[in-house]
Amino acid sequence: EDQVTQSPEALRLQEGESSSLNCSYTVSGLRGLFWYRQDPGKGPEFLFTLYSAGEEKEKERLKATLTKKESFLHITAPKPEDSATYLCAVRNSNYQLIWGAGTKLIIKP
Amino acid sequence: EPEVTQTPSHQVTQMGQEVILRCVPISNHLYFYWYRQILGQKVEFLVSFYNNEISEKSEIFDDQFSVERPDGSNFTLKIRSTKLEDSAMYFCASSDLLAETYEQYFGPGTRLTVT
Repeated sequence: EDQVTQSPEALRLQEGESSSLNCSYTVSGLRGLFWYRQDPGKGPEFLFTLYSAGEEKEKERLKATLTKKESFLHITAPKPEDSATYLCAVRNSNYQLIWGAGTKLIIKP
Repeated sequence: EPEVTQTPSHQVTQMGQEVILRCVPISNHLYFYWYRQILGQKVEFLVSFYNNEISEKSEIFDDQFSVERPDGSNFTLKIRSTKLEDSAMYFCASSDLLAETYEQYFGPGTRLTVT
């Protein structure tokens, strides 16, 4: 069964304190791994797509990496505006998105 | 920047009533999707739509649900007889079939409350 597990469920950091969020997955025929950001009461906002092990993508303070079993979202020197829930999703061989439960990130000033 | 829009932002309905949720996808996109997210839970896939027909649907998308593209811009989700457990945020998304990365762009959602 296709499955996505994100950890930790919640993460509190001080402003400037770097850390990583994990997304581990089992999927039949990976057709891409996606990271989204979701603010309360809003729709998911696309961040990155990764397709193959070893691939990395960067955007501002965020960097996403991918291995055959997991992906990491590294956040460097975060700011309070980076506070959000970060969602990971994988697309399987049927081109369906399977979602993780998300990591709620809180950055304290 | 083009974006997906959804109306209404909040819909309150009584159990057993029909509701129609509306979406305007990004104009040059060809694939359309509906997802739901019950408060505090994961995003769940409902249905995908391409070339005026359903391409994939989940177990959640039973006979109470239907989708339609009534004109060149709108994409609707109808729930025929709402149940309490249909209360959730409903997100519409669209993607460009030709885009290299196939990413889906989401609307702001409609909060459906069934009483």
